[in-house]
Amino acid sequence: KAGVTQTPRYLIKTRGQQVTLSCSPISGHRSVSWYQQTPGQGLQFLFEYFSETQRNKGNFPGRFSGRQFSNSRSEMNVSTLELGDSALYLCASSSLGGRSSGTDTQYFGPGTRLTVL
Amino acid sequence: DQQVKQNSPSLSVQEGRISILNCDYTNSMFDYFLWYKKYPAEGPTFLISISSIKDKNEDGRFTVFLNKSAKHLSLHIVPSQPGDSAVYFCAASVPSQGNLIFGKGTKLSVKP
Repeated sequence: KAGVTQTPRYLIKTRGQQVTLSCSPISGHRSVSWYQQTPGQGLQFLFEYFSETQRNKGNFPGRFSGRQFSNSRSEMNVSTLELGDSALYLCASSSLGGRSSGTDTQYFGPGTRLTVL
Repeated sequence: DQQVKQNSPSLSVQEGRISILNCDYTNSMFDYFLWYKKYPAEGPTFLISISSIKDKNEDGRFTVFLNKSAKHLSLHIVPSQPGDSAVYFCAASVPSQGNLIFGKGTKLSVKP
């Protein structure tokens, strides 16, 4: 079974621009979560989508948004980029989004390395 | 406020010996705990997990122990191999929320 895929793997943007990242979950997984990893803050939760609905959101500004399509693929968008948005953006998929008995594992993609100049 | 803490930023172990990575948490609502291994510029790879109804889970060389009263879990790797050298993240989740809360990670170096 193919794993989680993310495109592009690397991206360089300048301040003020916007960016869209894409994630394809493991086949059959309906939940997609996004995380940001930076050296100072570690891995932080951005948001989670399940059946095209955002179910949970982390503590990030409204410049960060996402969506999920009917085939469970997801995109995240960052508008008006700032230098501090430079990070590794990780997507994870799971079957149920952790809502069941607490045994639903999230599997991560390779990430998109975003550099904002 | 950090809900999941990995107090050792790094650990160095000799090949063949045991590696013990520790993790403490503060939220008693966490019911599922996971360990991930991560190489630079790659996504975390799932290693092993444990539900809060258990106190031990084993998978090959990897064993996770959970002490709920102490709000502490640990990952044991026996025997350690040079290929185990990576950053290890502890993560936890609350069933009503579905997102993972991660520790800051521990960098394990296994020396030949």
